[in-house]
Parts: sequence; structure tokens; C-alpha cells
Amino acid sequence: GQQLNQSPQSMFIQEGEDVSMNCTSSSIFNTWLWYKQDPGEGPVLLIALYKAGELTSNGRLTAQFGITRKDSFLNISASIPSDVGIYFCAGVMNRDDKIIFGKGTRLHILP
Amino acid sequence: GAVVSQHPSRVICKSGTSVKIECRSLDFQATTMFWYRQFPKKSLMLMATSNEGSKATYEQGVEKDKFLINHASLTLSTLTVTSAHPEDSSFYICSAEGLAVRSYNEQFFGPGTRLTVL
Repeated sequence: GQQLNQSPQSMFIQEGEDVSMNCTSSSIFNTWLWYKQDPGEGPVLLIALYKAGELTSNGRLTAQFGITRKDSFLNISASIPSDVGIYFCAGVMNRDDKIIFGKGTRLHILP
Repeated sequence: GAVVSQHPSRVICKSGTSVKIECRSLDFQATTMFWYRQFPKKSLMLMATSNEGSKATYEQGVEKDKFLINHASLTLSTLTVTSAHPEDSSFYICSAEGLAVRSYNEQFFGPGTRLTVL
């Protein structure tokens, strides 16, 4: 079945550092999504990407829809303590298809 | 914005009892809701798709008699964990499908329910 490989699994960074994470698949997706899950909460949509090559920002977050439609990247600039959490990538093939989630990247910020 | 609530947020029960978790879409109607399970430090695992007015569709390996799903109205789906055992302890998250947005159907997640079975 469709699978998303998300990396890294976890990251330990210093406050103020930039963060990069990515998601790859052997399948093509027509929509890429990035969610964040705060500890003890449900995921919240951060960015949706609809077109190959698209680059979209949401504050300090920037995500890109890969040209091949098989990958996506999320960057966080100048990390702050509230960025801690799990970041999930997700892909959708067609509108009525299920959203397929990656395994998540756990972001930890060192004091 | 679209809000999804879950109740209870935490529940502790004895082994062998049944626990019902409610998922409500507060300001929109959802014909489709999803139930996920998340183990500590693990990813979201889709358990089943809940369809209003019809039977739920379960993912492979999920026992439908163990995890009963009822989507009684356009704003409410319930998950009942029957005869709960310690291995059922987990974080259960629901999501409700909203309107189609360009190329996908938005999903709005609830805040989750932490189930602990003693």
C-alpha cells in the first residue's frame, strides 16, 4: 500500500536553530499536507500544498511540494520552545481518497 | 473555524469494563469521521472510518467486535472499547471530514482521549 517515509524520526536542537524535515514516497500524491501535534493534543494542519514545485509559508514555517510529486519538505526557521511537538507529513492521491500519514518527526528543543 | 471535541479527555477503567468515547463536530456536519489510535512515541494508526447512517469500515487487523463504532448523527460518532484490557490503553483521536478544499477533503482532529486500563 501507499507509505510515507518521514525523516528524521526525532530531532534535538537548540532554540534559535533552523529545522528541516522531509517526507518521501514511492507513490505520487496530488496533495501534500503538514500537521503538528502538541503533546497530549490532536494534530493541527499547518500547511497544505496543491501543486508540484509549490512553496508555501506559514510564519516561520515553509513547506515545499516536490517536483516529482513523491516528496515534500518542511523547514522551521529560528525555532522557539513552542515548536516542540510531533510533525506529520501526509499525502492525498485524489480528493475522495484517505489521507496517508507519515510516522512523524519528534522535535525536541534543548534548554 | 471547524472544531471537533472529544469526551472524555481522560478515562481510567478496570479491566473487563467497556468505555465509550464521543467525537463531536461542533460547528459543522460530518458524514465521515475517522478514529485513530496512537501509542506513546508512535504514529497515528487509522482504526476505522465512521460513516453516518451506515456501518463503519475497519482497517485490517482492527477487531470490529472489540471497537464498536456508531455514527448516529451528522455531528456525533462514538467509539466503544468493549471488555477493555491493559493492552487497549492508548491515546484515541478522532477526526471529522469537512468540506472539500481544492484537491482533498479536510480533516479536523479532536483533542484525543487518553484511555488507561488497569
